[in-house]
Amino acid sequence: GAVVSQHPSRVICKSGTSVKIECRSLDFQATTMFWYRQFPKQSLMLMATSNEGSKATYEQGVEKDKFLINHASLTLSTLTVTSAHPEDSSFYICSAYSGGAPEAFFGQGTRLTVV
Amino acid sequence: EDQVTQSPEALRLQEGESSSLNCSYTVSGLRGLFWYRQDPGKGPEFLFTLYSAGEEKEKERLKATLTKKESFLHITAPKPEDSATYLCAVQGGSEKLVFGKGTKLTVNP
Repeated sequence: GAVVSQHPSRVICKSGTSVKIECRSLDFQATTMFWYRQFPKQSLMLMATSNEGSKATYEQGVEKDKFLINHASLTLSTLTVTSAHPEDSSFYICSAYSGGAPEAFFGQGTRLTVV
Repeated sequence: EDQVTQSPEALRLQEGESSSLNCSYTVSGLRGLFWYRQDPGKGPEFLFTLYSAGEEKEKERLKATLTKKESFLHITAPKPEDSATYLCAVQGGSEKLVFGKGTKLTVNP
């Protein structure tokens, strides 16, 4: 299947700092990328949808100024958590569509811990 | 609003003990129903896509089926390495996937 690489896999940061998470599609061009957040024993909650070259569409309740998404190319999307606080600690996962296949392929996830 | 409900929340099986996981859904205009496997601390791994009622797909010990209201993931003679959380998701009119909370499967040797 298609490969989506997410980096870093784990990050610990201090409260008030910003953290950037990268999501790359390695063997296909991703027309659309999605960012999810997952709490323990909960399902994946969609945060935002990004299309290459355009502004991301955020789900209701997600602060767009706090979770900055950039989809600069067909193979790279980034999520920046700005001014992180302990309540932002979570598992963040990206997924990518090629447009030709209906299924989305997921990155390995990033465990963010804000201390 | 598209919704997905998975049951049971958790399932413990002995190695070789076959069972089924359920995914009930409501969606306007089903474009696809997806099954994923997720290991702890990892992203979901794609298993199957089903498009229409009556469709079935198989992969090793797993078989997914679809009706107009639900999907089943049948696990035949499971092994400990099948232990994981299994996620069901639907895609309706938009490209967005709506996920259920998953079923955590534990297979004891």
